[in-house]
Amino acid sequence: EAGVAQSPRYKIIEKRQSVAFWCNPISGHATLYWYQQILGQGPKLLIQFQNNGVVDDSQLPKDRFSAERLKGVDSTLKIQPAKLEDSAVYLCASSSQLAGGYNEQFFGPGTRLTVL
Amino acid sequence: AQKVTQAQTEISVVEKEDVTLDCVYETRDTTYYLFWYKQPPSGELVFLIRRNSFDEQNEISGRYSWNFQKSTSSFNFTITASQVVDSAVYFCALSAGANSKLTFGKGITLSVRP
Repeated sequence: EAGVAQSPRYKIIEKRQSVAFWCNPISGHATLYWYQQILGQGPKLLIQFQNNGVVDDSQLPKDRFSAERLKGVDSTLKIQPAKLEDSAVYLCASSSQLAGGYNEQFFGPGTRLTVL
Repeated sequence: AQKVTQAQTEISVVEKEDVTLDCVYETRDTTYYLFWYKQPPSGELVFLIRRNSFDEQNEISGRYSWNFQKSTSSFNFTITASQVVDSAVYFCALSAGANSKLTFGKGITLSVRP
């Protein structure tokens, strides 16, 4: 079974530029998560999708970050415009969880973003 | 609100030593799940274990063991006879509430020297 795929693996941009990350979850997984992991810290949830609907985006900086999950499969996370403090690894995860239950999240390799 | 504290930041041991990674959690929910993840230098998070709040049995898997104590809100992880391949960052995480989102600790960097 293929794991969670993410691209690109690395991205370097200058502040005020835009960037987009892509995630393809494990086939059949209804729930998709985007996490931000700043160096030296644990991952922090940015947004959670259940199929193509948003379940939790309370920690997403909506003035500059946006995410979508068209057709309930792939997802894109965008930052526009980027700030220096956005430098981090962006992790995508998926799980087969449906509401009311819990199954472990499987993580992709992440995208390392450097904002100069 | 959920909180996970990993007070240790870096641990260095010599190969074959035993090492314990501490984790203390806070939640008001009576139903919750605790996790340990390993993050090797490659960056991918590798799931190690999940425990639910109703199961306090300790668990052993090969060289790994976990000690869950609700009385002290702790979920500690012990590696027996450590190996160089165990070098990684280890995260403890908590999931509680309807959305089941994970709240991670800051992680412990384990270095195992030959």
